[in-house]
Amino acid sequence: EPEVTQTPSHQVTQMGQEVILRCVPISNHLYFYWYRQILGQKVEFLVSFYNNEISEKSEIFDDQFSVERPDGSNFTLKIRSTKLEDSAMYFCASSVSGGRGALREYEQYFGPGTRLTVT
Amino acid sequence: AQSVTQPDIHITVSEGASLELRCNYSYGATPYLFWYVQSPGQGLQLLLKYFSGDTLVQGIKGFEAEFKRSQSSFNLRKPSVHWSDAAEYFCAVGAGSGYALNFGKGTSLLVTP
Repeated sequence: EPEVTQTPSHQVTQMGQEVILRCVPISNHLYFYWYRQILGQKVEFLVSFYNNEISEKSEIFDDQFSVERPDGSNFTLKIRSTKLEDSAMYFCASSVSGGRGALREYEQYFGPGTRLTVT
Repeated sequence: AQSVTQPDIHITVSEGASLELRCNYSYGATPYLFWYVQSPGQGLQLLLKYFSGDTLVQGIKGFEAEFKRSQSSFNLRKPSVHWSDAAEYFCAVGAGSGYALNFGKGTSLLVTP
């Protein structure tokens, strides 16, 4: 069964450094997402991406964050200057569609996550 | 503002016992509703979903959930829990734009022998 993959599984970085988290969505999916989960808190939406542009973003997704689909398979989240509070599990997800179409196509498939630790 | 509440942070049940995990939501329109499960070290796996129609939905692994509009609830149930069901369970609501999922804080399920 196709699945979303994420690399690395764990990333440790120093405060102020840039990190890039990588995701490979399911091949026929068109919508891509990033979520994060700070330890002990709920999963929070960051951004959605479709047709090479951001479709929606939360207030968490400020100027230090950016997303990119550099080629036909990867989807990346860049954090420009990491802060201690960026330490979290970051989940990538993808879906066939993103709107209120057939529910099955709206289903978001999640990757295993990247644990980011900022020291 | 939209919100999703899972009132129980931890639940412990005996293997073979029935299970009900609670989820309440606050949302203006008819929501998309989802239950996800997360095992340690794993990603989020969709158990079931509700969009419209029959308010009792069946999912994978023997789970079901019932949408009750009058109570703004979407509780997850399983008649007989297995030890492998021990995991974190998240209720989520599809936001108005259709893109973002709004998650509850999760319920951690422990299954005892």
